[in-house]
Amino acid sequence: AQTVTQSQPEMSVQEAETVTLSCTYDTSESNYYLFWYKQPPSRQMILVIRQEAYKQQNATENRFSVNFQKAAKSFSLKISDSQLGDTAMYFCAFLLMNRDDKIIFGKGTRLHILP
Amino acid sequence: GAGVSQSPSNKVTEKGKDVELRCDPISGHTALYWYRQRLGQGLEFLIYFQGNSAPDKSGLPSDRFSAERTGESVSTLTIQRTQQEDSAVYLCASSLASATNEKLFFGSGTQLSVL
Repeated sequence: AQTVTQSQPEMSVQEAETVTLSCTYDTSESNYYLFWYKQPPSRQMILVIRQEAYKQQNATENRFSVNFQKAAKSFSLKISDSQLGDTAMYFCAFLLMNRDDKIIFGKGTRLHILP
Repeated sequence: GAGVSQSPSNKVTEKGKDVELRCDPISGHTALYWYRQRLGQGLEFLIYFQGNSAPDKSGLPSDRFSAERTGESVSTLTIQRTQQEDSAVYLCASSLASATNEKLFFGSGTQLSVL
């Protein structure tokens, strides 16, 4: 069975700083996707970034980038130039490619951006 | 509509009562998922509908939980004889096809409180 672990329950950083959220996962499969989702107080989950395991290049989306280390089964999210609107819960998630379509989520990291 | 709509937004019920939670997916989305999010936890998969295929019910925690979907439209999650441990946010998501190939869009959830 696949598992996703986020070891940082809560983090706080000053506005404009860079912050890195950690995620590790466990799987015996080779083909999968990894995601970072943001959940603001509105509760609506928003996809931040997606990484295909077969791609060596790390995904980036504006201020958001990942450090994907497949051998180490690590998938961290870096937020550069953090903004107050980045305050939210962040969930790391895993999905086997072309299998059961069930996304498995970690327990989340609550991120506070301080003014 | 423009997004995934869930109703009610909040529901308070007494232990032992039945509740129905509704999800209106984005029009044309064949895939629909229900997740449960307990306080401070990640998302737990409950059930997955894909078109006219038999739903994947493997995540339903007990026979008190059931869900229906009419075609590719509205879905209803029913919890019978509610218990206090059922208190959680219930999130619905839909996608154009499978999560493997398409982005998931989430609703804002129903906060269920069982007294």
